[in-house]
Amino acid sequence: GAVVSQHPSRVICKSGTSVKIECRSLDFQATTMFWYRQFPKQSLMLMATSNEGSKATYEQGVEKDKFLINHASLTLSTLTVTSAHPEDSSFYICSAQPGPNTGELFFGEGSRLTVL
Amino acid sequence: LAKTTQPISMDSYEGQEVNITCSHNNIATNDYITWYQQFPSQGPRFIIQGYKTKVTNEVASLFIPADRKSSTLSLPRVSLSDTAVYYCLVGAGMNTGFQKLVFGTGTRLLVSP
Repeated sequence: GAVVSQHPSRVICKSGTSVKIECRSLDFQATTMFWYRQFPKQSLMLMATSNEGSKATYEQGVEKDKFLINHASLTLSTLTVTSAHPEDSSFYICSAQPGPNTGELFFGEGSRLTVL
Repeated sequence: LAKTTQPISMDSYEGQEVNITCSHNNIATNDYITWYQQFPSQGPRFIIQGYKTKVTNEVASLFIPADRKSSTLSLPRVSLSDTAVYYCLVGAGMNTGFQKLVFGTGTRLLVSP
């Protein structure tokens, strides 16, 4: 099946710094990608929809200035957590769909962010 | 987006068949039902998708009654490695554009020896 890769898989940073997480579709083009976050023992929460060449669409309650999303190419979307704080520590997961006429969504391996 | 309801957790033993039922009373006409599996610290993995009746693949079967207000994921002869969280999602499927999937609580399956 299609492969979606995230990098880094784990990152530890100091409070106040910014962290960038990359999401790549390795063997298909994805005009739309989705970003989720997941706290321990909880379900995935959709944060935003990343659209290639246009602004991301954020879910209610998600700060767009805090979580910057850039989808500059058909195979890469990035999530930047700006001025990270300990409460931003979480598991961030991206997903992508190969095309509008396919029913399966492919997920990345996830990126665990720990803010000290 | 249709909301889904699943049991929070289930326990089973190796070799048994496990059936996880999901309720989605407000499913729309063009919504598909998709099940994902997630292991700790990993992204979800697609298991199976269906629209109505029964769908079977190499790892699971999906049973959907005529009213489509519920669905049952059936895992035959589970093993310890099937211990994971299973999510039922409903949303636009094939031929309906990009889908924004909202995850419910999921069912935490524990398989014991």
